[in-house]
Amino acid sequence: DAKTTQPTSMDCAEGRAANLPCNHSTISGNEYVYWYRQIHSQGPQYIIHGLKNNETNEMASLIITEDRKSSTLILPHATLRDTAVYYCMMIYNQGGKLIFGQGTELSVKP
Amino acid sequence: GAVVSQHPSWVICKSGTSVKIECRSLDFQATTMFWYRQFPKQSLMLMATSNEGSKATYEQGVEKDKFLINHASLTLSTLTVTSAHPEDSSFYICSAGGQINIQYFGAGTRLSVL
Repeated sequence: DAKTTQPTSMDCAEGRAANLPCNHSTISGNEYVYWYRQIHSQGPQYIIHGLKNNETNEMASLIITEDRKSSTLILPHATLRDTAVYYCMMIYNQGGKLIFGQGTELSVKP
Repeated sequence: GAVVSQHPSWVICKSGTSVKIECRSLDFQATTMFWYRQFPKQSLMLMATSNEGSKATYEQGVEKDKFLINHASLTLSTLTVTSAHPEDSSFYICSAGGQINIQYFGAGTRLSVL
């Protein structure tokens, strides 16, 4: 099973970039990296995913190292509304199951 | 983006009664849906995988007779907590699988059993 390791918590100043790291050293060749976030008392929200190349969408950028053993989610201009728990995950087998770890609790401060 | 609706958002029930939670994919069809539960200050725990037209697959330690799952159509899965007790009080969340294994989540149902 591919496992991920994330810092428990991080702080970021409003307006600055938030860089959230994730280690996934046991990732297999065909496993994608997915990022979700959960704002307090809400359902998780999909952010972005990638396989090998860096990806960018309207929410964030995803930087994946060449060896694919780690990745970084970048929120370019963090706002107070980005305060949430961020989860980095891989798909478990091919059944599409997401196994949530503890994630990183990001606090964006004024 | 894809929308998943979960109902009710909040329910209070007496001990011993059953509670049904609905999960609907509003603008896409989902052959697979997932059910999670989350206790305060903890991460989401996968309970079961709901497959349209077949029996659900339960994670280890989850009682299938306690948590009944029905996925009768491509847009609806239901979770029924049978004979609920206070220890079943939790935040229940569903998700529906979209393209490229992206999952879209409902807003969750907060269950309080008195």
